[in-house]
Amino acid sequence: DTEVTQTPKHLVMGMTNKKSLKCEQHMGHRAMYWYKQKAKKPPELMFVYSYEKLSINESVPSRFSPECPNSSLLNLHLHALQPEDSALYLCASSQVSGRIVPEQYFGPGTRLTVT
Amino acid sequence: DQQVKQNSPSLSVQEGRISILNCDYTNSMFDYFLWYKKYPAEGPTFLISISSIKDKNEDGRFTVFLNKSAKHLSLHIVPSQPGDSAVYFCAAGGNEKLTFGTGTRLTIIP
Repeated sequence: DTEVTQTPKHLVMGMTNKKSLKCEQHMGHRAMYWYKQKAKKPPELMFVYSYEKLSINESVPSRFSPECPNSSLLNLHLHALQPEDSALYLCASSQVSGRIVPEQYFGPGTRLTVT
Repeated sequence: DQQVKQNSPSLSVQEGRISILNCDYTNSMFDYFLWYKKYPAEGPTFLISISSIKDKNEDGRFTVFLNKSAKHLSLHIVPSQPGDSAVYFCAAGGNEKLTFGTGTRLTIIP
């Protein structure tokens, strides 16, 4: 199983809503990632979890709150988002290999629209 | 500050010919390079990678070349097939992170 799944596929939320994005993998990977991708732009790294611990936060605003409940699951909790946060949110996983970054496997993404 | 650049936003190639996608980077600390392919409404799919200690890696129709002195890498696809039409991202790795290039849309003309 080389699949990373993400739910929901699409999400529309108001600026006062609280919602969560979910990501799951069963490849035994111990590194998981959240990326944000705007139209016609490359994916931008938001967070890295390694062995269920947050290892990298790329100065992401606190209205985005990641959580890694176990080695297979990664959540992104959303609260008080702004319209400019509308984007495709991608989850990825990989093996942990120290400094060298191995290939990451991506999910299909959640298309988020903030109204 | 775009550390990884793909200067051609789009490329059209005849089916059966060679497709060459280029990528330049500025940070000499990157030590691992990857190419991803992305279809609309899907996440990026890993294609091929190369370590900074090598200058070439081949996998079937895909070959990646790395020129460290020029901080340049390229992806060769031969022969090109219609299913290769997609957006291709190069990515550079270091310190647990991947930095993606801006992408090149490849269109294979039947």
